[in-house]
Amino acid sequence: AQKVTQAQTEISVVEKEDVTLDCVYETRDTTYYLFWYKQPPSGELVFLIRRNSFDEQNEISGRYSWNFQKSTSSFNFTITASQVVDSAVYFCALSVTGYGGATNKLIFGTGTLLAVQP
Amino acid sequence: DVKVTQSSRYLVKRTGEKVFLECVQDMDHENMFWYRQDPGLGLRLIYFSYDVKMKEKGDIPEGYSVSREKKERFSLILESASTNQTSMYLCASSLIVRRRMNTEAFFGQGTRLTVV
Repeated sequence: AQKVTQAQTEISVVEKEDVTLDCVYETRDTTYYLFWYKQPPSGELVFLIRRNSFDEQNEISGRYSWNFQKSTSSFNFTITASQVVDSAVYFCALSVTGYGGATNKLIFGTGTLLAVQP
Repeated sequence: DVKVTQSSRYLVKRTGEKVFLECVQDMDHENMFWYRQDPGLGLRLIYFSYDVKMKEKGDIPEGYSVSREKKERFSLILESASTNQTSMYLCASSLIVRRRMNTEAFFGQGTRLTVV
């Protein structure tokens, strides 16, 4: 069975603090994809990153960085020097291959609400 | 830019009504999905479709049906709306690149449905 766990329901930080959002996944597939999405108050989910199971390199994009560790089945997301505009719900998701061979049915975690206080 | 458009941002319907939620994407994506978002439960997949006229049940299909007559349009139907279907509904689409190559899904802005 596939599952994504985001144990942190809510996190509150003060602007300029670093914050890490945790994501733990479960799958028996050897080929899978992991994603992070941001959902600002407007409601639309915004894609942040995709990582496949064969690429364990960490990635940095500006203030965002991701740490993928297969050994612990984790795909954690760190925001450095947080800003008020980072306030949103963040979802981690796992993609499995289903019908048609490449249908990427996304399985989501329950999300982490990040509140960045000025 | 990929655009996924949901027909309504907010809807209020009465118990027992038949409700249609429409979703259109403009990037010729093969996959389309309907998710439901509830506090503390994340996003749960209702139905998905990987081709015209093809549909597959997701994790919570009960009380819902879907229609995909054209590639760009995927409709979610609540046959007889009930109060426990009050929720945020999100449509998404994604491209099939090749077998086992999973691409990101693009989401619409969501429809907040209230059933009274």
